[in-house]
Amino acid sequence: AQSVTQPDIHITVSEGASLELRCNYSYGATPYLFWYVQSPGQGLQLLLKYFSGDTLVQGIKGFEAEFKRSQSSFNLRKPSVHWSDAAEYFCAVGRGSGGYNKLIFGAGTRLAVHP
Amino acid sequence: GAVVSQHPSWVICKSGTSVKIECRSLDFQATTMFWYRQFPKQSLMLMATSNEGSKATYEQGVEKDKFLINHASLTLSTLTVTSAHPEDSSFYICSAKDFGYGYTFGSGTRLTIV
Repeated sequence: AQSVTQPDIHITVSEGASLELRCNYSYGATPYLFWYVQSPGQGLQLLLKYFSGDTLVQGIKGFEAEFKRSQSSFNLRKPSVHWSDAAEYFCAVGRGSGGYNKLIFGAGTRLAVHP
Repeated sequence: GAVVSQHPSWVICKSGTSVKIECRSLDFQATTMFWYRQFPKQSLMLMATSNEGSKATYEQGVEKDKFLINHASLTLSTLTVTSAHPEDSSFYICSAKDFGYGYTFGSGTRLTIV
């Protein structure tokens, strides 16, 4: 069965430090992968997505993610974190015909940023 | 870009009543929409897939008679929580498959049953 694992429930970084949020997936075919960010009481905003092609994907707000098939990973990175990046981050894999009929979400990683 | 509007953003209802939540795609046609439920500090749980002009497909364990979904047009899907009880209190989020081969999410509805 398809699944998404985000090993880190909570991460705290200092403002200006680099960030890496881990995501591992289990999927039989080529995955369609997504990273979303959620602020408290809000919906989800798409940071970036991977369907095919270049395995390094650039997203909004300075985020990037790298798809590594051999490791079944799609880790999210940012070179310098801003206080406004504090939020909940969800990795998701699309499944079904075409790869994006349903989204399966990881448990999420809550990011706190120290000034 | 694709925008999905969800209303209301929050609602408080008495136990036993029904409440309707609307999800609209504002600048694109959404043949498929999804409804999620999210408990505090937890991930999103897919409840059902809503297809325009046909019956919704519910995930295992979701009561279709309690959570009625209607997708009568290409821009509107509704979720009605019938005979709501306090355990139905949650954060409900809709999303739609957009033209960018992705998913756009609404801002969510905080439902509280008292």
